[in-house]
Amino acid sequence: EVQLVESGGGLVQPGESLRLSCAASGFMFSNYWMDWVRQAPGKGLEWVANINEDGSQKYYVDSVKGRFTISRDNARSSLYLQMNSLRADDTAVYYCSGRLDYWGQGVLVTVSS
Amino acid sequence: DIQMTQSPSSLSASVGDRVTITCRASQNIRNDVGWGQQKPGKAPKRLIYGASSLLSGVPSRFTGSGYGTEFTLTISSLQPEDFATYFCLQYNSYPRTFGQGTRVEIK
Repeated sequence: EVQLVESGGGLVQPGESLRLSCAASGFMFSNYWMDWVRQAPGKGLEWVANINEDGSQKYYVDSVKGRFTISRDNARSSLYLQMNSLRADDTAVYYCSGRLDYWGQGVLVTVSS
Repeated sequence: DIQMTQSPSSLSASVGDRVTITCRASQNIRNDVGWGQQKPGKAPKRLIYGASSLLSGVPSRFTGSGYGTEFTLTISSLQPEDFATYFCLQYNSYPRTFGQGTRVEIK
């Protein structure tokens, strides 16, 4: 059974940092592009970033470029999202996804003073 | 960025009804479109990729069609478990973009 389990969310103040993790199991993680997608409260889905199988290619939505960094550890079947300089409009549930086919349950990030 | 304009934003239907949802892309994206379903408080679930291919385990009452800029998701006979929000997404270019979602409610 495919499982994607996110962790690392929480409440932070504007300007602070947070690192999200996603533990994958049940599929060949190292063969998949992986994505982060977020959903602000009451809003639709917004793609954030993705990374190719070996980590050599990374893409980001403009609003997070220079602030967020996606990475992966294939030996640990894990995906990460380092989020710096967080802003109030980064408040959302963040989903880890395998090729946008498989999805985790999401983790809430709240940025507020 | 490619805009995905989804319609309607919501609809009311009865069990057994045929439901059609449309997504229009702001430029030609071939068949690089997927459809998904999300229930309140739950993770999204992908239903269709490549505009018309069902993911494994997805009931055959879901069908997708289209190419270029116009895409549709059809549920041939709505079941109680199908009441949810449906979204389209394009993966033709970056950034990936989603439609605004269609909420399917019980009439």
